[in-house]
Amino acid sequence: GAVVSQHPSRVICKSGTSVKIECRSLDFQATTMFWYRQFPKQSLMLMATSNEGSKATYEQGVEKDKFLINHASLTLSTLTVTSAHPEDSSFYICSARETGGQPQHFGDGTRLSIL
Amino acid sequence: SQKIEQNSEALNIQEGKTATLTCNYTNYSPAYLQWYRQDPGRGPVFLLLIRENEKEKRKERLKVTFDTTLKQSLFHITASQPADSATYLCALDEPGGSYIPTFGRGTSLIVHP
Repeated sequence: GAVVSQHPSRVICKSGTSVKIECRSLDFQATTMFWYRQFPKQSLMLMATSNEGSKATYEQGVEKDKFLINHASLTLSTLTVTSAHPEDSSFYICSARETGGQPQHFGDGTRLSIL
Repeated sequence: SQKIEQNSEALNIQEGKTATLTCNYTNYSPAYLQWYRQDPGRGPVFLLLIRENEKEKRKERLKVTFDTTLKQSLFHITASQPADSATYLCALDEPGGSYIPTFGRGTSLIVHP
């Protein structure tokens, strides 16, 4: 089955630090990758959609200068939380999809804790 | 925009029974609908995808139905097991061909031995 690897699984760092999260599709080429944020007992909140080689499309209310997304290849997308603050603490999950109309395959998430 | 309704209350059933979870949507009918399983602290895992022209889809003990008239999908797990305990999410795509998915909040299923 399709496998998506997300690293790191957990990050604890001080306020003001920038944190980079990687998302890799291991056995398929992902034309589209998605980044989500999830609060406890809440649904997945889509932050942005990225297509390989083009700029990410951010959802309303998501600061693109705060959450930098790079989708440089068909197997790798990165999310960088810049100058993170305690309110950025959350569970971040990426997913990858081969083509439109196909299911998404998710990474195992990154638990980000900003002190 | 699309509103997706999944029962927020946990569904508790006995092992061996059939679990039925509901996903209702309020607006347009999507081209396809997906069901995912999510365990605590993990990313969702894809289970089944059903297209608008399909009434029913099966995979092992899982069955999904899609009724565009009722704007509803039902997700069934037959012969349920304690290992089936998890949160189940439904997801619908946005219109316009962009295939941007919207997820429901999920329903927690607890299967008691």
